[in-house]
Amino acid sequence: DGGITQSPKYLFRKEGQNVTLSCEQNLNHDAMYWYRQDPGQGLRLIYYSQIVNDFQKGDIAEGYSVSREKKESFPLTVTSAQKNPTAFYLCASSIGPRAGRSYEQYFGPGTRLTVT
Amino acid sequence: AQTVTQSQPEMSVQEAETVTLSCTYDTSESDYYLFWYKQPPSRQMILVIRQEAYKQQNATENRFSVNFQKAAKSFSLKISDSQLGDAAMYFCAYRRGSGNTPLVFGKGTRLSVIA
Repeated sequence: DGGITQSPKYLFRKEGQNVTLSCEQNLNHDAMYWYRQDPGQGLRLIYYSQIVNDFQKGDIAEGYSVSREKKESFPLTVTSAQKNPTAFYLCASSIGPRAGRSYEQYFGPGTRLTVT
Repeated sequence: AQTVTQSQPEMSVQEAETVTLSCTYDTSESDYYLFWYKQPPSRQMILVIRQEAYKQQNATENRFSVNFQKAAKSFSLKISDSQLGDAAMYFCAYRRGSGNTPLVFGKGTRLSVIA
């Protein structure tokens, strides 16, 4: 089955530790995105990548880093510099222009990160 | 910068009745897309409906329809014959039309369905 996987579903870390959230897709999508969700805040963009080996900062990139070495994978590292890392993190992907104009985004199931 | 505003943090509806969720947006672009996403308690984001700005006809998907008022920059979602399974957070989202660009989300409306 095609889709987006995020692992693990729940992640616990001690303050001061870096942690990497996994996002993998087998949809052959060109673009991938990371959003953060906090209560009452909706979803906010952290980083996105339109092609392999390229990515752009979103609205709340400080304290986060990403890589895009393969088309299928877009891992997000939450560094110790992120002041309030506890949140729900959603990964998404969308297909490129060859499929038409809508560029619909598909979401993974999310990872709940708790830092204490 | 584009912004999306959902002015109703919470709404409720009786089962089988109709409810309308409001959304306004701000953009200077002429080519864009608008979306409604549903997030049930599982937290999986599910696309409900989308509207292309260049289309005058309002989108419909079964019991879900939109009222797209381009001049007013308004994009409301109407849910007809509400069902218990419609209870969820609903997010309005905007995407600039040129290529694989990110979504800009509103803060969401929590919909409760009363049996």
